[in-house]
Parts: sequence; structure tokens; C-alpha cells
Amino acid sequence: DVKVTQSSRYLVKRTGEKVFLECVQDMDHENMFWYRQDPGLGLRLIYFSYDVKMKEKGDIPEGYSVSREKKERFSLILESASTNQTSMYLCASSNGLAGGWYEQYFGPGTRLTVT
Amino acid sequence: GQNIDQPTEMTATEGAIVQINCTYQTSGFNGLFWYQQHAGEAPTFLSYNVLDGLEEKGRFSSFLSRSKGYSYLLLKELQMKDSASYLCAVRDGSPGGGNKLTFGTGTQLKVEL
Repeated sequence: DVKVTQSSRYLVKRTGEKVFLECVQDMDHENMFWYRQDPGLGLRLIYFSYDVKMKEKGDIPEGYSVSREKKERFSLILESASTNQTSMYLCASSNGLAGGWYEQYFGPGTRLTVT
Repeated sequence: GQNIDQPTEMTATEGAIVQINCTYQTSGFNGLFWYQQHAGEAPTFLSYNVLDGLEEKGRFSSFLSRSKGYSYLLLKELQMKDSASYLCAVRDGSPGGGNKLTFGTGTQLKVEL
């Protein structure tokens, strides 16, 4: 079974703090994604990566950065957390082989509260 | 870009059939996914359509019409555990789209006795 894990289920940080959210997958997937999920807005893509050290902006990258130093690990960084970044953050991974379905497998999510 | 519409909420009775619709406008289309998400949990994959027609998987079926930009998820013999949010997602197949998914806001289904 594909397993995607995230470092924390719940996190509380103060405004201005630097925040790291970690995601690890164990299926040797090429693709990894970071989303945030907010009521009424659904899942929105922040950043994604198709290879080690490679990153692409999603739909809402402002205020975020990412790091992918190893294939299995994809980190989301909030350089200076703000209250409008309070949200549920979901990591996902998918196979990147040509012709594949690219079905995404999701981690359990991190509920981040910025006070 | 992508624009995806689905109803916000639906209510149905245990044992009944319910159809959840999804319409989309897209600059490049390379497949449509349905995910199920229970409250407080991660989304889980239900179905995938890339060609027109119906895909059946047990109690769940999904239909796609590419010319109409339309899909539906059909749930039969509803059970209480089917109460969840159902997410429609379109894969962007346009050059530079990166095959990423764009999700609708989800349809919250409530199954009642």
C-alpha cells in the first residue's frame, strides 16, 4: 500500500514564525504535491515537484516555498507565517511514469493554526 | 486554466441512488478523477475517466462526456458510511500544465435513514 506521511497532524505557530511541514512517501513516486484546503474553496495547489531539486508553482504559491532534496521527501516552508495561512495542508504523491493514471495518494493532513 | 462546478450539498436516503454532477471548462483535458473525503480525513481515490462513457466499480460508477464538459458520480444502495465530501478533479493535459489536478470545491453528501 502507498503510504504518505506528514510530520504533524496539528500545529500551532505564532505570526512571523518560520514553519516547516514535512511529507514523506514510500512508493518511489516521482511527483509530489502540496495543497491547502479551506471551507468553500476546496483543495488548492501550492507547489508541486516532478523530480529531486525540481519545483513548480501551483495556483497559490505566494508566501510559501518548497524543498525536495530527496525523492521521498517534500517540504513546505512558510517563511513568515501569517494568520491567513491557517488551514489544512495536504501532501500528495503520484507515479510519474508515462501513460500512467497519475492517481494522487494523500497524506493525513496537517491542521496549522497561526495565532 | 480550469473551472470546475459541483453542487455544494446533497441529501439522500439510505438504500437509494444518488447522482453527483460535475461540469468543467478547461484549456487542456487529460482525465477526470473522483475522490471521497470523510470529515477530518485525507481524500481517497474513487474513479478515473479519460474516455467518454461509464466506468463501473461496485456500488460506484462514474460517467464522462468530454464534448459537454460533464461528469457524474453515481452511488447505488447508499449506506450511512457514504456520508462524505465527493471531490471532482480535472487533470490538465495542456503543454506546460504539468498534468496537475485542479479540484472542485466538493459536494457534501449526507445519507439519512
